[in-house]
Amino acid sequence: NAGVTQTPKFQVLKTGQSMTLQCAQDMNHNSMYWYRQDPGMGLRLIYYSASEGTTDKGEVPNGYNVSRLNKREFSLRLESAAPSQTSVYFCASSEVLAGGLIGEQFFGPGTRLTVL
Amino acid sequence: GDSVTQMEGPVTLSEEAFLTINCTYTATGYPSLFWYVQYPGEGLQLLLKATKADDKGSNKGFEATYRKETTSFHLEKGSVQVSDSAVYFCALMGTDKLIFGTGTRLQVFP
Repeated sequence: NAGVTQTPKFQVLKTGQSMTLQCAQDMNHNSMYWYRQDPGMGLRLIYYSASEGTTDKGEVPNGYNVSRLNKREFSLRLESAAPSQTSVYFCASSEVLAGGLIGEQFFGPGTRLTVL
Repeated sequence: GDSVTQMEGPVTLSEEAFLTINCTYTATGYPSLFWYVQYPGEGLQLLLKATKADDKGSNKGFEATYRKETTSFHLEKGSVQVSDSAVYFCALMGTDKLIFGTGTRLQVFP
Protein backbone atom coordinates (compact mmCIF):
# COMPACT_ATOMS: atom_id res chain seq x y z
CA ASN A 1 0.00 0.00 0.00
CA ALA A 2 1.96 2.99 -1.32
CA GLY A 3 -0.67 5.65 -0.49
CA VAL A 4 -0.30 8.70 -2.75
CA THR A 5 2.62 8.73 -5.16
CA GLN A 6 3.84 11.63 -7.29
CA THR A 7 6.30 11.88 -10.15
CA PRO A 8 8.70 13.47 -10.71
CA LYS A 9 10.18 14.54 -7.37
CA PHE A 10 12.13 17.42 -8.90
CA GLN A 11 11.88 19.27 -12.21
CA VAL A 12 13.51 22.29 -13.77
CA LEU A 13 11.81 23.89 -16.76
CA LYS A 14 12.50 26.87 -18.97
CA THR A 15 9.83 29.50 -19.45
CA GLY A 16 7.33 28.35 -22.07
CA GLN A 17 8.01 24.64 -21.72
CA SER A 18 5.20 22.24 -20.87
CA MET A 19 5.07 19.31 -18.51
CA THR A 20 2.67 16.99 -16.72
CA LEU A 21 2.84 16.10 -13.04
CA GLN A 22 1.57 12.63 -12.31
CA CYS A 23 -0.31 11.49 -9.21
CA ALA A 24 -1.73 8.11 -8.27
CA GLN A 25 -3.43 6.70 -5.18
CA ASP A 26 -4.13 3.10 -4.22
CA MET A 27 -6.66 3.72 -1.44
CA ASN A 28 -9.75 3.63 -3.68
CA HIS A 29 -10.54 7.24 -2.80
CA ASN A 30 -13.11 9.15 -4.79
CA SER A 31 -11.68 12.65 -4.31
CA MET A 32 -8.30 13.91 -5.46
CA TYR A 33 -6.64 17.33 -5.22
CA TRP A 34 -3.73 19.38 -6.49
CA TYR A 35 -2.19 22.07 -4.28
CA ARG A 36 0.75 24.37 -4.59
CA GLN A 37 2.78 25.50 -1.61
CA ASP A 38 4.74 28.73 -1.63
CA PRO A 39 6.69 30.32 1.25
CA GLY A 40 4.36 32.27 3.51
CA MET A 41 1.28 31.32 1.48
CA GLY A 42 0.41 27.96 2.95
CA LEU A 43 -1.40 25.54 0.67
CA ARG A 44 -3.49 26.81 -2.21
CA LEU A 45 -5.88 24.54 -4.05
CA ILE A 46 -5.37 24.49 -7.82
CA TYR A 47 -7.93 21.93 -9.00
CA TYR A 48 -9.81 19.06 -7.48
CA SER A 49 -11.82 16.08 -8.61
CA ALA A 50 -14.69 15.08 -6.35
CA SER A 51 -15.19 11.84 -8.25
CA GLU A 52 -14.02 10.05 -11.35
CA GLY A 53 -15.08 12.01 -14.42
CA THR A 54 -15.42 15.39 -12.69
CA THR A 55 -12.98 18.22 -12.11
CA ASP A 56 -13.43 21.67 -10.57
CA LYS A 57 -11.34 24.79 -10.22
CA GLY A 58 -9.85 25.67 -6.90
CA GLU A 59 -8.38 28.91 -5.69
CA VAL A 60 -5.57 29.33 -8.27
CA PRO A 61 -6.40 27.41 -11.50
CA ASN A 62 -4.96 29.82 -14.08
CA GLY A 63 -2.13 28.34 -16.11
CA TYR A 64 -3.00 24.75 -15.23
CA ASN A 65 -5.13 21.93 -16.58
CA VAL A 66 -6.01 18.61 -15.02
CA SER A 67 -7.14 15.18 -16.10
CA ARG A 68 -8.81 12.58 -13.93
CA LEU A 69 -7.64 9.63 -15.99
CA ASN A 70 -9.39 7.02 -13.86
CA LYS A 71 -10.20 6.59 -10.18
CA ARG A 72 -6.53 6.13 -9.29
CA GLU A 73 -4.84 8.84 -11.32
CA PHE A 74 -5.09 12.62 -11.43
CA SER A 75 -2.57 14.58 -13.49
CA LEU A 76 -1.70 18.28 -13.54
CA ARG A 77 -0.44 19.92 -16.72
CA LEU A 78 1.40 23.17 -17.22
CA GLU A 79 0.98 24.10 -20.89
CA SER A 80 3.42 27.04 -20.92
CA ALA A 81 5.41 27.28 -17.72
CA ALA A 82 6.10 30.67 -16.15
CA PRO A 83 8.53 31.62 -13.34
CA SER A 84 5.48 32.38 -11.14
CA GLN A 85 4.71 28.66 -11.22
CA THR A 86 7.92 27.83 -9.37
CA SER A 87 6.57 26.06 -6.33
CA VAL A 88 6.15 22.76 -4.54
CA TYR A 89 3.14 20.82 -5.81
CA PHE A 90 1.25 18.34 -3.67
CA CYS A 91 -1.34 15.83 -4.70
CA ALA A 92 -3.82 14.52 -2.13
CA SER A 93 -6.75 12.14 -1.98
CA SER A 94 -9.61 11.51 0.41
CA GLU A 95 -12.64 9.37 0.81
CA VAL A 96 -16.11 10.83 0.67
CA LEU A 97 -18.13 10.20 3.83
CA ALA A 98 -21.87 10.02 4.30
CA GLY A 99 -23.58 13.24 3.33
CA GLY A 100 -20.83 14.17 0.90
CA LEU A 101 -18.40 15.29 3.57
CA ILE A 102 -14.69 14.82 3.02
CA GLY A 103 -12.66 12.51 5.22
CA GLU A 104 -8.98 12.68 6.07
CA GLN A 105 -6.77 13.85 3.21
CA PHE A 106 -3.65 11.84 2.40
CA PHE A 107 -0.81 13.70 0.75
CA GLY A 108 1.93 12.68 -1.63
CA PRO A 109 5.59 13.64 -1.04
CA GLY A 110 5.48 16.60 -3.43
CA THR A 111 7.11 17.74 -6.68
CA ARG A 112 9.59 20.60 -6.48
CA LEU A 113 9.31 22.59 -9.70
CA THR A 114 11.60 25.42 -10.74
CA VAL A 115 10.82 27.51 -13.83
CA LEU A 116 13.73 29.56 -15.10
CA GLY B 1 -17.06 31.94 3.17
CA ASP B 2 -15.41 29.44 5.45
CA SER B 3 -11.89 30.30 6.57
CA VAL B 4 -9.14 29.36 9.01
CA THR B 5 -6.77 31.78 10.74
CA GLN B 6 -3.56 30.62 12.41
CA MET B 7 -0.99 32.49 14.44
CA GLU B 8 2.01 33.55 12.42
CA GLY B 9 5.32 31.91 13.08
CA PRO B 10 7.91 30.96 13.52
CA VAL B 11 7.35 29.75 17.04
CA THR B 12 10.74 29.14 18.66
CA LEU B 13 10.96 27.05 21.83
CA SER B 14 13.49 25.22 23.90
CA GLU B 15 13.12 21.48 24.34
CA GLU B 16 10.56 20.52 27.04
CA ALA B 17 8.75 23.87 26.79
CA PHE B 18 4.96 24.12 26.56
CA LEU B 19 3.52 24.70 23.10
CA THR B 20 0.37 26.50 22.00
CA ILE B 21 -0.43 27.27 18.38
CA ASN B 22 -3.64 29.24 17.98
CA CYS B 23 -6.25 28.47 15.36
CA THR B 24 -9.65 30.09 14.89
CA TYR B 25 -12.19 29.44 12.21
CA THR B 26 -15.20 30.95 10.49
CA ALA B 27 -17.76 28.50 9.18
CA THR B 28 -21.42 27.77 8.75
CA GLY B 29 -22.42 25.12 11.24
CA TYR B 30 -19.91 22.93 13.05
CA PRO B 31 -17.51 21.34 10.59
CA SER B 32 -14.87 18.78 11.51
CA LEU B 33 -11.51 20.33 12.38
CA PHE B 34 -8.02 19.00 11.75
CA TRP B 35 -4.38 19.61 12.52
CA TYR B 36 -1.87 18.49 9.91
CA VAL B 37 1.92 18.42 10.31
CA GLN B 38 4.56 18.80 7.61
CA TYR B 39 8.09 17.67 8.42
CA PRO B 40 10.95 19.10 6.34
CA GLY B 41 10.93 17.81 2.77
CA GLU B 42 7.73 15.83 3.19
CA GLY B 43 4.03 16.11 2.45
CA LEU B 44 1.38 16.84 5.05
CA GLN B 45 0.10 14.15 7.36
CA LEU B 46 -2.85 14.16 9.71
CA LEU B 47 -1.88 14.81 13.33
CA LEU B 48 -5.30 14.88 15.00
CA LYS B 49 -8.92 15.73 14.40
CA ALA B 50 -12.21 16.53 16.14
CA THR B 51 -15.56 15.95 14.54
CA LYS B 52 -17.92 17.84 16.85
CA ALA B 53 -18.03 20.58 19.46
CA ASP B 54 -16.21 19.83 22.75
CA ASP B 55 -14.37 16.88 21.21
CA LYS B 56 -10.68 16.62 22.04
CA GLY B 57 -8.34 15.23 19.43
CA SER B 58 -4.99 13.86 20.58
CA ASN B 59 -1.95 12.13 19.11
CA LYS B 60 1.79 11.91 19.90
CA GLY B 61 1.33 14.12 22.99
CA PHE B 62 -0.47 16.85 21.04
CA GLU B 63 -4.02 17.87 21.93
CA ALA B 64 -6.65 20.24 20.56
CA THR B 65 -10.20 20.88 21.79
CA TYR B 66 -13.04 21.95 19.52
CA ARG B 67 -14.46 25.09 21.17
CA LYS B 68 -17.60 26.32 19.42
CA GLU B 69 -18.04 29.25 21.84
CA THR B 70 -14.74 30.77 20.77
CA THR B 71 -14.62 29.11 17.30
CA SER B 72 -11.15 27.86 18.13
CA PHE B 73 -9.08 24.69 17.85
CA HIS B 74 -5.76 25.53 19.48
CA LEU B 75 -2.95 22.97 19.34
CA GLU B 76 -1.08 22.23 22.59
CA LYS B 77 1.73 20.01 23.78
CA GLY B 78 3.07 19.89 27.29
CA SER B 79 6.72 19.21 26.49
CA VAL B 80 8.07 19.66 22.97
CA GLN B 81 11.02 17.79 21.50
CA VAL B 82 13.48 18.75 18.79
CA SER B 83 11.78 16.16 16.58
CA ASP B 84 8.55 18.20 16.74
CA SER B 85 10.13 20.91 14.58
CA ALA B 86 7.82 21.16 11.58
CA VAL B 87 5.09 23.27 10.02
CA TYR B 88 1.61 22.81 11.51
CA PHE B 89 -1.58 23.46 9.55
CA CYS B 90 -5.07 23.90 10.96
CA ALA B 91 -7.92 22.95 8.62
CA LEU B 92 -11.68 22.64 8.53
CA MET B 93 -13.90 20.38 6.48
CA GLY B 94 -15.69 22.23 3.72
CA THR B 95 -17.89 20.92 0.95
CA ASP B 96 -15.76 18.81 -1.42
CA LYS B 97 -12.49 20.01 0.09
CA LEU B 98 -10.55 20.97 3.19
CA ILE B 99 -9.85 24.62 3.94
CA PHE B 100 -6.35 25.17 5.35
CA GLY B 101 -4.76 27.91 7.38
CA THR B 102 -1.44 29.35 6.24
CA GLY B 103 0.63 27.17 8.56
CA THR B 104 2.80 27.87 11.60
CA ARG B 105 6.45 26.89 11.68
CA LEU B 106 7.69 25.46 14.97
CA GLN B 107 11.40 25.39 15.73
CA VAL B 108 12.55 23.53 18.85
CA PHE B 109 16.13 23.90 20.04
CA PRO B 110 17.99 21.58 22.46
